[in-house]
Amino acid sequence: KAGVTQTPRYLIKTRGQQVTLSCSPISGHRSVSWYQQTPGQGLQFLFEYFSETQRNKGNFPGRFSGRQFSNSRSEMNVSTLELGDSALYLCASSFGPAGPARTDTQYFGPGTRLTVL
Amino acid sequence: EDKVVQSPLSLVVHEGDTVTLNCSYEVTNFRSLLWYKQEKKAPTFLFMLTSSGIEKKSGRLSSILDKKELFSILNITATQTGDSAVYLCAVLRSGNTPLVFGKGTRLSVIA
Repeated sequence: KAGVTQTPRYLIKTRGQQVTLSCSPISGHRSVSWYQQTPGQGLQFLFEYFSETQRNKGNFPGRFSGRQFSNSRSEMNVSTLELGDSALYLCASSFGPAGPARTDTQYFGPGTRLTVL
Repeated sequence: EDKVVQSPLSLVVHEGDTVTLNCSYEVTNFRSLLWYKQEKKAPTFLFMLTSSGIEKKSGRLSSILDKKELFSILNITATQTGDSAVYLCAVLRSGNTPLVFGKGTRLSVIA
């Protein structure tokens, strides 16, 4: 079974631009979560989607948004990029959503390394 | 505020050494604790611990959870250079909530 894939793998943008990152979950997985990873803050949760609905959102400004499509693929968008947005953006998929019924774990993609100049 | 704290932040050992990585947590509605290994990019799942005192093993790696003292340890015996990675601890809470991650322990194993 193919793993989680993320595109692009590397991206360089300048301040003020916007960026869209893509994540394709493992086949059959319907939940996609996004994380930002930086050396100083570690892994921080951005949002989770399940069946095209955002179920959770972390403490990030409104410049960070996402969506999920009917085939469970997800995109994350960051508008008006700032230098501090430079990070590794990881996507993780799981079969079910967060909640009391969750017993499965999340499987991570290789990430997109975003550099903002 | 829920938090997960890992220690040490980094560690350098020689091949063959045994290491113990620590993870303590303060969260509401704890459900499970997870360990991941991150070598270059994608964290890969190691263990999920839900019950106190039950050790989980996978080869040279083992982990145990203490729900009374709110911590977990990850042991790696007879370390190899391939064990060099960042080890992440995360807590899964009940309810519709996401994982909370610690900042990780960077382990470097030198020959």
